[in-house]
Amino acid sequence: DAMVIQNPRYQVTQFGKPVTLSCSQTLNHNVMYWYQQKSSQAPKLLFHYYDKDFNNEADTPDNFQSRRPNTSFCFLDIRSPGLGDAAMYLCATSRGEGLLYEQYFGPGTRLTVT
Amino acid sequence: GENVEQHPSTLSVQEGDSAVIKCTYSDSASNYFPWYKQELGKGPQLIIDIRSNVGEKKDQRIAVTLNKTAKHFSLHITETQPEDSAVYFCAASILTGGGNKLTFGTGTQLKVEL
Repeated sequence: DAMVIQNPRYQVTQFGKPVTLSCSQTLNHNVMYWYQQKSSQAPKLLFHYYDKDFNNEADTPDNFQSRRPNTSFCFLDIRSPGLGDAAMYLCATSRGEGLLYEQYFGPGTRLTVT
Repeated sequence: GENVEQHPSTLSVQEGDSAVIKCTYSDSASNYFPWYKQELGKGPQLIIDIRSNVGEKKDQRIAVTLNKTAKHFSLHITETQPEDSAVYFCAASILTGGGNKLTFGTGTQLKVEL
């Protein structure tokens, strides 16, 4: 019954070693979002896809990239993780079509950088 | 860009009492205001939302009010229960790039004591 699925739930990577987090959805939503949430802070939008159109936030570091090969899947790539990138990464989806629709969040992936 | 302030940061109530959380936003273009509940180690869960053409919305024990002129909105939880204990985030949203960008408040840690 899970609608937004994130794998893995916990990821440990080494400083500077590339890591990929994945998100899949069964809602057939055309918008997918990636948020970063650091400890005791609010989620912060990194970027989103509207269908295949990529929309980056102005303050998202170049170290963060994303891919969306099809409607159901979206990946977050961190090219060279630093200690400051340790956080919970949340994937969310919504309908688009030019209207404001509710966003549904996945359970998140907790990233640890050693 | 949008800035959302949220108060209080922590709130402790007795079971059965009411809880009120308040948010203000800065961008008059924002027109969708969701509230999320986040339990420890989980993704945010939408509990109620309100659009700018509505002043108040209620769903069982939860209600939200919106004052567009003053740019503030509030969450009201009545008859609180221990399972209401969690972090609550307000957010303001505008359309961007085909999706809706959520700017979150800083969160309120609600504790319902027996």
